[in-house]
Formats: sequence, C-alpha cells, structure tokens
Amino acid sequence: EADIYQTPRYLVIGTGKKITLECSQTMGHDKMYWYQQDPGMELHLIHYSYGVNSTEKGDLSSESTVSRIRTEHFPLTLESARPSHTSQYLCASRPGQDYGYTFGSGTRLTVV
Amino acid sequence: GENVEQHPSTLSVQEGDSAVIKCTYSDSASNYFPWYKQELGKRPQLIIDIRSNVGEKKDQRIAVTLNKTAKHFSLHITETQPEDSAVYFCAALTGGGNKLTFGTGTQLKVEL
Repeated sequence: EADIYQTPRYLVIGTGKKITLECSQTMGHDKMYWYQQDPGMELHLIHYSYGVNSTEKGDLSSESTVSRIRTEHFPLTLESARPSHTSQYLCASRPGQDYGYTFGSGTRLTVV
Repeated sequence: GENVEQHPSTLSVQEGDSAVIKCTYSDSASNYFPWYKQELGKRPQLIIDIRSNVGEKKDQRIAVTLNKTAKHFSLHITETQPEDSAVYFCAALTGGGNKLTFGTGTQLKVEL
C-alpha cells in the first residue's frame, strides 16, 4: 500500500547517544519534511527536502542532520541525544504544488 | 515573515451544535490552505483543503471559507458528533510554495 512509514515507532535512549530516525515513502513524492511535535501541540519544522540531494533547514534544525540520497528515503539523525529532544517526530511528504502533506505515524522518542 | 494564527486554542460544543475555527495568515503569496485533524495518539490527517481561486468548499458536514483580501480562512463543522473531538490544525502554503506553515492548533471537544 502506498504510504509513508516511520521506524522505530517508540525509542528510549540514553543521553549522548547518536540516533537515526527512519522515514520512507512509497508514493514517489519529491518533497519530504520532518516535524517535531509534543502530543497535540504545535508542529515545528526541523528539515525539509525538495528532492534527491536537496535539504533545507527549518526552525529547529541546529541539533540534527538529514540526507536525501534516494527519493523514497529521508532519515533524520541526532548526533548527541539530550532530554530536551524527548518528543514525537513526524515525517511527511507531498507530491508537489498545491497539495497537502501525508504524515507518517511518527516516532516517539524519550531521552533519559 | 510567514505566520499563521489560529483561534480559539480550545473549543467545547454540545453534540449537534456547530463549531468554527478561524485562521489568519501573513504571506500574501499563499494560495493553498489545508486543514488537518489529529486524534489522540494518531498522525495528522488531511480533512479538507481550499485553493485561492475559490471562496468556499464543502464536504458533507465540514466546510472551509477563504477571504484572500483579509487573509483569513475558517473551518466550519456542522452537526458535531463525539468522533469530531480532536486537535485541528490549519495551514498555509508558504516559502515560495515549498512548505506548509501550521497554526498552533485547536482542541475541539464535543460533549454529549
């Protein structure tokens, strides 16, 4: 089924660890996005990509990196996890102009 | 800059009543305005959208209106039901059409 998939669904990790959150979509969308969201609260843009080999910073990008080597894959890496990173991370994609996002189910991260 | 304001932050209605959520945007180049519904513990889902060439769009019990001159748009839910209880986010396409800027969300509670 064409959709956007995120793994892991839940992650508990110690402070200082490096982690990568996975996001893959099977819809052939060019544009992909990462958002941070505390449950039911505002969506904060972290990074986005227009297509392969393109990445842009959002509002909360300073402590993470992304890559876009393949159209379908857009992983997010936290180099050194901190308790302040505890949150839900949502990946999204869209096909092009004048279309909304399809969101993944999210990764709920807890840093202890 | 790019900003979307959303009101109210919480809204409580009786089952069967109507609910209205309002948003204003700052980017005059915005031409696409989606609305998302996020139920507890789930991903945001697109429920309706409107493009700048129309002033109103309706889909069963939900409708969206757009006033481009005033830069505001609204979500209307009629005959509310308990399953309408969720957080609703408005958004506007910004950044030259490359990303959505979201409102801060409205927690809608439909009481029996």
